[in-house]
Amino acid sequence: GENVEQHPSTLSVQEGDSAVIKCTYSDSASNYFPWYKQELGKRPQLIIDIRSNVGEKKDQRIAVTLNKTAKHFSLHITETQPEDSAVYFCAAPYNYGQNFVFGPGTRLSVLP
Amino acid sequence: SAVISQKPSRDICQRGTSLTIQCQVDSQVTMMFWYRQQPGQSLTLIATANQGSEATYESGFVIDKFPISRPNLTFSTLTVSNMSPEDSSIYLCSVEGGIASSYEQYFGPGTRLTVT
Repeated sequence: GENVEQHPSTLSVQEGDSAVIKCTYSDSASNYFPWYKQELGKRPQLIIDIRSNVGEKKDQRIAVTLNKTAKHFSLHITETQPEDSAVYFCAAPYNYGQNFVFGPGTRLSVLP
Repeated sequence: SAVISQKPSRDICQRGTSLTIQCQVDSQVTMMFWYRQQPGQSLTLIATANQGSEATYESGFVIDKFPISRPNLTFSTLTVSNMSPEDSSIYLCSVEGGIASSYEQYFGPGTRLTVT
C-alpha cells in the first residue's frame, strides 16, 4: 500500500519569507497529489494539487512541484503572511486513485 | 465544489453508548468517505460509503464498530458504536469532486466527539 512521509513536522518562518514542505510517497503508480490546509478548529481545505503529467503548478503565492522519479512532491509558499499559519497535509492516492493516505502534517507558524 | 454539512457538529457521550453522524451534500456525488482525526493527528480513512451496497472498510476498522449507511447519492451516516474514550476524535465526511475534477476531495465541517 501507499506510505506518505512529510517533513518538517513544524516550521516557523518570519513574515515575508518562504516556506517549503516536502512529502515522499512509495507507490510509483500514484498520479495525483493534493495539499490541504487546516486552520485550528476548521475542516481541511484543498489549496492546490498536481497531477503526474506536470512537474510544477502555481497559484498566486503557492506552488507545488513533483519529482516522479524520486517520488517526492513539495509545497512552496512565498511571501508568507500570518494567515498562512495552519497545519498542512499532503496526500497520495491508492486503490486506483479512489482513496488517499495523508501525511502526518506540518504545523506552519508565520511570525510577524 | 459541493456544499457539505454534518450533524451534529459536536457531542459529548457516555462510554458504551452509540452516536450516529449525518453527512449531507447539496449535489449528487459518486464517492463519499468517512475519516477520523484524533487530537493533533492526521486524517485516517475509516471507510468508503458505497451507494446501494456495503461500505468498504480500511484495515483496522470494522462494520460492527462503525456501521455506515448510504441510502442515496447525497447522504450518508456513520455510527460510532459502543463508544470508549479512545473514540474521542473528529469525524469528517468527504466527497469526491466529480467528473470534471476527479480525485479532488472536499471535507465536511466535522463532528467533534468526546466520550467520557
